Amino acid sequence: NAGVTQTPKFQVLKTGQSMTLQCAQDMNHNSMYWYRQDPGMGLRLIYYSASEGTTDKGEVPNGYNVSRLNKREFSLRLESAAPSQTSVYFCASSTPGTGNTIYFGEGSWLTVV
Amino acid sequence: EDQVTQSPEALRLQEGESSSLNCSYTVSGLRGLFWYRQDPGKGPEFLFTLYSAGEEKEKERLKATLTKKESFLHITAPKPEDSATYLCAVQENSGGSNYKLTFGKGTLLTVNP
Repeated sequence: NAGVTQTPKFQVLKTGQSMTLQCAQDMNHNSMYWYRQDPGMGLRLIYYSASEGTTDKGEVPNGYNVSRLNKREFSLRLESAAPSQTSVYFCASSTPGTGNTIYFGEGSWLTVV
Repeated sequence: EDQVTQSPEALRLQEGESSSLNCSYTVSGLRGLFWYRQDPGKGPEFLFTLYSAGEEKEKERLKATLTKKESFLHITAPKPEDSATYLCAVQENSGGSNYKLTFGKGTLLTVNP
């Protein structure tokens, strides 16, 4: 049971480069999320998708875009990477059938130099 | 003002020495309070959900409790393998299908043999 799968696991970007973080879940969950985790800041919500076809901004959306490709997949795009976007990114998913519990992927480590 | 505050930031225990972690929260309406465990280099792993004041849940050496303003994670006779960062998060009752979590900054627990 894979759960929530993120790719890539590690990535180094130069300032100004673009990239997309991919996320897929195999639990048939309705909602998906992107969080970032920084030392001393905790986990902060970037964007979420309550259901297929909808996306909404979270706490720290600037510099990011998202696409809910289908029910399984939710991607996060950095159009022009900045050093401030160096972080660990977590994708997650949830559904009412599990008591709204949010399940996380293993994380993607992104360094922008 | 932080919605979720965890204390202490770090806690070092000897094996077998019981203690508690605190999570205080300020939300207008609580849908659920979640506890997660996070190991280094991994995504958060779900432990418990508490929905109403007075509720308690247990799993092995861990017991979570909830009041109207805070939650405690009690660790009884901890073992070194309980060492991890413990995260608390709240889900607000904002209506609709918005199940996003707001996290505290976590408590880093170290259990020495």
